[in-house]
Parts: sequence; C-alpha cells; structure tokens
Amino acid sequence: EVQLVQSGGAFIQPGASLRLSCVGSGFSLSGNHMTWIRQAPGQGLHWVSVIYSNGTTHFADSVKGRFSISRHNSINTVYLQMNSLRTEDTAVYFCTRGAANFEYWGQGTLVTVSS
Amino acid sequence: DIQMTQSPSSLSAYVGDTVTITCQASQDIRTYLNWYQQKSGRAPKLLMFDASSLEAGVPSRFSGSGSGTKFTFTISSLQPEDMATYYCQQYDSLPRTFGQGTKVEIK
Repeated sequence: EVQLVQSGGAFIQPGASLRLSCVGSGFSLSGNHMTWIRQAPGQGLHWVSVIYSNGTTHFADSVKGRFSISRHNSINTVYLQMNSLRTEDTAVYFCTRGAANFEYWGQGTLVTVSS
Repeated sequence: DIQMTQSPSSLSAYVGDTVTITCQASQDIRTYLNWYQQKSGRAPKLLMFDASSLEAGVPSRFSGSGSGTKFTFTISSLQPEDMATYYCQQYDSLPRTFGQGTKVEIK
C-alpha cells in the first residue's frame, strides 16, 4: 500500500526557515516524481514545487529563490526546505506522488508563519 | 500561467439530484485535466484524469467531459457522502494550476 507520511510543520516567525519531510512507503521514491502543494486556511489548492525522478526541480513564482526541494532516495524521503518565510506562506502543505496526476497524498502538515 | 475558472463556487442539492460543475481554462489544455474531491480536514482525492477517465474505485455516478478550454464534471444521483469541495486541475504545463473549488452541500 502506498503511503506518504509528513512531518515538520510548525508555528514560526517571519523570516525564519523550516524543513518539511515526506516519507514514502509501498513504492520506491527514486523512480517517481514528487510534488508539494499547499492550501492556505479556508482557501484552494496551490502547486508549490516538483522534483522529477531525474532530479530536475521547478517552483511556483511565489516561492522561487526561497524554497528548495530535494530527495533522499535511500530513506525514501522528499524534503521541502523553506527559507525567508512570509506570513502568506501560512498553509497546510501536502506532498504528493506524481507530477501531473496526484493520486497519492500525504496527510498534510500545517505551517503557520506569524509574529 | 494557465488560469482555471471553476463555477459555481458553491451549490446545494438534494440527494438523488444531478449536479454539474464547469471548469474553463485560459488556454487550450487538450484533455489534460483532473478532478479532485476534498472532504473537510482531509487531503484531496483524485476522481478523474484526462478529463473523462474515472480513477479506479471511484463510483460511476461521477463523470467528466470536455477538451480544449471547457470542461464539465457531473455527479449523477448525488449521495450524502458526496458533500465535499471539488477542484479541477490542469496538467498541460507548469505551474500546475487548480480551479478555485466548488463546495457541494446536501439540502
């Protein structure tokens, strides 16, 4: 059974950094593209970043230069490193498997950026 | 970026009704469109891909159609468990973009 388990959410001040983790099981992360999607409180879904199986990465303009995405294949984990956090980054962050059709999702982790 | 405009933003219907949601893309996305269902406090669930293909295990009362820039999503014979917010999402190009969502309530 494919599962994605997330961790790392926190209440954090503007300007700080945070790293989110997403551990996959039931499949090999190395052969899959992985995507992060976020949802601000009471709002819709917004694509954040993708890391392809070949390591290529892409980011939404709103996070470009502040966020990075990486993977540690040996422990089946994908990360979202978030720097220079802003209040508008407050959201539930979901990791998902895939780059186009998001069939498997993590449970979501809340990041609250506030002073 | 491709803008996805979804309507209505909310609707209320009776059990057994047929409900339809529309999604319009700001440019041609062929049939590269997904539909998701999100229940309160949960991660979204993929219901349909390629505009009209039903994900395995999804009830056949859900259907989708369209290509290019105009798409529809239909729930025939609405059930109480269908109360949720539904999103369209294009995968023609990056960044992937979603519609604003349609909240479906049961009368």
